[in-house]
Amino acid sequence: QQQVKQSPQSLIVQKGGISIINCAYENTAFDYFPWYQQFPGKGPALLIAIRPDVSEKKEGRFTISFNKSAKQFSLHIMDSQPGDSATYFCAASKGSARQLTFGSGTQLTVLP
Amino acid sequence: NAGVMQNPRHLVRRRGQEARLRCSPMKGHSHVYWYRQLPEEGLKFMVYLQKENIIDESGMPKERFSAEFPKEGPSILRIQQVVRGDSAAYFCASSPSITTDTQYFGPGTRLTVL
Repeated sequence: QQQVKQSPQSLIVQKGGISIINCAYENTAFDYFPWYQQFPGKGPALLIAIRPDVSEKKEGRFTISFNKSAKQFSLHIMDSQPGDSATYFCAASKGSARQLTFGSGTQLTVLP
Repeated sequence: NAGVMQNPRHLVRRRGQEARLRCSPMKGHSHVYWYRQLPEEGLKFMVYLQKENIIDESGMPKERFSAEFPKEGPSILRIQQVVRGDSAAYFCASSPSITTDTQYFGPGTRLTVL
């Protein structure tokens, strides 16, 4: 019930391409969906987040698409750059609990 | 404005020893969360604390693990009698209030149990 499933586990994209990472959740009580970026040896850093009342949110090259009926959300990275190479985690939380339930992560490699 | 600080960054302990991990939240933040990340896995919630209160410890192992966030000073995650399975990266996050969604993460403490 608390799980967030993330795919793919790893992704290789050419520079300038679009990177797409998908997540699916089960608990309909989740109401906050952030994406975090993590570089080796560092802590996760918030990239972008969305609430279920909107279907899409864009910040620069990063876009979240949200499908409430399918209980799925995805991260799109446009014009991917080698500096985007990192591990990306989707997450979800509900109400006042605020604990984040993380996906298993996607290791993105952007080739120059 | 300093971010979330954690120390030590790396900690090596032998089986049976105690590990103490410290977290200083961002200035003005009174809510602290601890997460554990095993190799090649996502982060798993452990405990949520406010000053002098444990709000949610549903992710904490029942034995050997404890956490506190005193009125003064950093939050402490304490692991007694460490075992090899405790080897992981432990991350602390903070937020300013219960109504704020965003959690800001520290750089983590990497615990190695020999």
